[in-house]
Amino acid sequence: KQEVTQIPAALSVPEGENLVLNCSFTDSAIYNLQWFRQDPGKGLTSLLLIQSSQREQTSGRLNASLDKSSGRSTLYIAASQPGDSATYLCAVTNFNKFYFGSGTKLNVKP
Amino acid sequence: ETGVTQSPTHLIKTRGQQVTLRCSSQSGHNTVSWYQQALGQGPQFIFQYYREEENGRGNFPPRFSGLQFPNYSSELNVNALELDDSALYLCASSLSSGRTDTQYFGPGTRLTVL
Repeated sequence: KQEVTQIPAALSVPEGENLVLNCSFTDSAIYNLQWFRQDPGKGLTSLLLIQSSQREQTSGRLNASLDKSSGRSTLYIAASQPGDSATYLCAVTNFNKFYFGSGTKLNVKP
Repeated sequence: ETGVTQSPTHLIKTRGQQVTLRCSSQSGHNTVSWYQQALGQGPQFIFQYYREEENGRGNFPPRFSGLQFPNYSSELNVNALELDDSALYLCASSLSSGRTDTQYFGPGTRLTVL
């Protein structure tokens, strides 16, 4: 059974810092990996989708990488801002099933 | 842009009752997935529907069932509610079967079972 782990569970950084969030998964037979952002009590907003054949995706200050063979993905956030404060979740897709990690709760202090 | 809506926003039920949650997908999205998110946890996949047929299911008992309609709306039904069913229920739509497409999430329905 696929298991997705996110480290750290929580992170607090000063504004302007570059940071890396980690996601690992146990079964490398995935179709894709997706990073989401969730604000308190709200639904999820898709940030980046990486297909299994891709190594990375970029959107603005965000860059996500995927290493299928090692079962790892990272989300890099450049020049963090207080508005980036949220919970970040990664999810993988296996055979029409979806598996989420428990998320990293990010707090960016002004 | 998501365009996915869910109703109701909040719901309170008692143990043993039945509940129906509703989702309206983005126009043109043939696939809808439902998730259960307990407090402080990541979403747990319940099932996915593609063109009105169940297309994948997570580890949830049969008392969790669903329907998808041709007008891009869908329902999640839960029978014989248990206290542990209290959670945020999320639906997500995508263009195809979800293997390669981005999922767009609705804001969720907060279910409390007393």
